[in-house]
Amino acid sequence: QQPVQSPQAVILREGEDAVINCSSSKALYSVHWYRQKHGEAPIFLMILLKGGEQKGHDKISASFNEKKQQSSLYLTASQLSYSGTYFCGTEWGSQGNLIFGKGTKLSVKP
Amino acid sequence: DTGVSQDPRHKITKRGQNVTFRCDPISEHNRLYWYRQTLGQGPEFLTYFQNEAQLEKSRLLSDRFSAERPKGSFSTLEIQRTEQGDSAMYLCASSFADYNSPLHFGNGTRLTVT
Repeated sequence: QQPVQSPQAVILREGEDAVINCSSSKALYSVHWYRQKHGEAPIFLMILLKGGEQKGHDKISASFNEKKQQSSLYLTASQLSYSGTYFCGTEWGSQGNLIFGKGTKLSVKP
Repeated sequence: DTGVSQDPRHKITKRGQNVTFRCDPISEHNRLYWYRQTLGQGPEFLTYFQNEAQLEKSRLLSDRFSAERPKGSFSTLEIQRTEQGDSAMYLCASSFADYNSPLHFGNGTRLTVT
């Protein structure tokens, strides 16, 4: 089953923070996060494995709540370059079949 | 690392025609994936290979779709008797066969069926 992302869209001013959630009805093995800009290929951001770890890269970080089967992506002090559509991809086993959510469109305005 | 390469970038075809797309993955990667993406949607899984073996194919995938990876390097995706509903961006991705290996996507082939 496809993971559910929320919200569907977010509009921010530069410097504001945002949280994007990704939920699954099945037990998750891992969660991938990707960003896609219009007309371009999705670009990898980070992977989280079950175990509740949190990762960070610059001002973008993510967490994985195994009990809730949910991952959250945190964008702090947003920059114009953060604009794009964010997708979570979920695996329910280690076989490598990654299923993506419908995406969250993030628009950062000056 | 020259990235994942897909050919052609765009394809316009008439309904009922067959089309074939090619994907060249990153050379060190042994997994190769095909996804389909329509406007406003996330990538929809079609199939994936580990080396030359096709390990999984989406149950939603019509029999008109077939993919091959004959020597475990490049892959082709063929759509027979195309329909207008096949119009989409077809994305290829590759990765190592590790549980924590990210997918590297190509720029896709945009198919328009008229």
